[in-house]
Order: sequence, then C-alpha cells, then structure tokens
Amino acid sequence: AQKVTQAQTEISVVEKEDVTLDCVYETRDTTYYLFWYKQPPSGELVFLIRRNSFDEQNEISGRYSWNFQKSTSSFNFTITASQVVDSAVYFCALSEALGSAGTASKLTFGTGTRLQVTL
Amino acid sequence: DAGVTQSPTHLIKTRGQQVTLRCSPKSGHDTVSWYQQALGQGPQFIFQYYEEEERQRGNFPDRFSGHQFPNYSSELNVNALLLGDSALYLCASSYGLIEETQYFGPGKRLLVL
Repeated sequence: AQKVTQAQTEISVVEKEDVTLDCVYETRDTTYYLFWYKQPPSGELVFLIRRNSFDEQNEISGRYSWNFQKSTSSFNFTITASQVVDSAVYFCALSEALGSAGTASKLTFGTGTRLQVTL
Repeated sequence: DAGVTQSPTHLIKTRGQQVTLRCSPKSGHDTVSWYQQALGQGPQFIFQYYEEEERQRGNFPDRFSGHQFPNYSSELNVNALLLGDSALYLCASSYGLIEETQYFGPGKRLLVL
C-alpha cells in the first residue's frame, strides 16, 4: 500500500523567509511518480511538479525547488523568499507509474501542510 | 485552453437524498478521476473513467457511482446521502495512456444536513 506523510500540519513564516515543506512516502513499487499540488482557499488543486522515481535530480523553478532523495523516501519542497501569495495548503502525492488500466494511476495524497505567509 | 470545469460549485442536500456532480475535462484530455476531500484532509480517490468505463476504483461504497459520456465529460452520483458525505468533491483530468499528471478543477463543496 502507498502512503504519504506530511508531518508539518501548519507553518507560519514572515514574508521573504525561506520555508521547506517535508514529504515522506512509502511504496513497494519500483517505478512511481511524486507530485506537489497547491490548494489556495478557492479549493482548486494547482499542479506544481511531477517527479519520476528514476530521476533524482533536484529541480528549481523560480523561487520553488524540490529535493528528491530516494534513500530516505523524501520529496521536500522549498520556497525561497516566500510571499503572501504563497499562502495555501500544499499537498504531496504519490502514484504508481501508469495504473493497471494504462491510464494515469490514482493519486495518494498526504494530509497537507498549511503555509501562512505574513507581512 | 479550457481547464477542468465543475458544476455546480456549492450544493446543500439532506440525508437520504441523491446528488449528481458534473465535470468537463481539460481540453484535449479524455480521462476523468474523482476525489473526495473531507475538511482538513487530503483528497481520497473515488474512481476513474476512461473510454466510458470505470477503470480504477478506490475504497468507496456502491452508493458512489459514475458515468462518462462520449464527449469525455463525467458525472459522479451519490445515493442515500449520509452526513459523512459532506466534503469537497474534486474532478481531475488526464490524457489516456500518455499523460501521467492529473489536472484538477475548482471542486464542488457538498453539505449534507
């Protein structure tokens, strides 16, 4: 069974601080995908990144960066110089690579980390 | 590029009633997945439709059923509503055998009284 743990329930930072959101996962699959989604108060889940289990290269996109470490089953997300607009709930998710039906496999989500950025 | 759309956005029902939620996938997508998100929790997978058939199903009772139409849009039906069915219902779309990323719509908040 797959499992995603986001131990940080809520984080509060002041604008311009760096913040790291932790994600630890469990799976027996050798091939899988990891995702981060952002959920603003409006409710829509906004896709941020997808990582293939074979690709452990860290990725940077603007102020966002992701650190994937297979050895510790972690896929952490760092926001540099946080802004008020970054305030949201962030979810880490896991799926097997293409489900048995050949379509995108179901996502297993963590419980989310609420990030509050204040001025 | 049209994103995933859901209708209606808020809905109030009473116990025992039935509800139907609708979703149109993102332009170019043909696979629709439904998720239930209880307050303070992560989304839970309900089921997925591709080629008008249910392809995957999560741990939800038969009261939850669905349908996919030839234009790839989808419906989620919940019968005999329980208070515990109050949640945000999210629809996500992807592209068949190629696209592993699911893109979500705005969600539909259901309140069962």
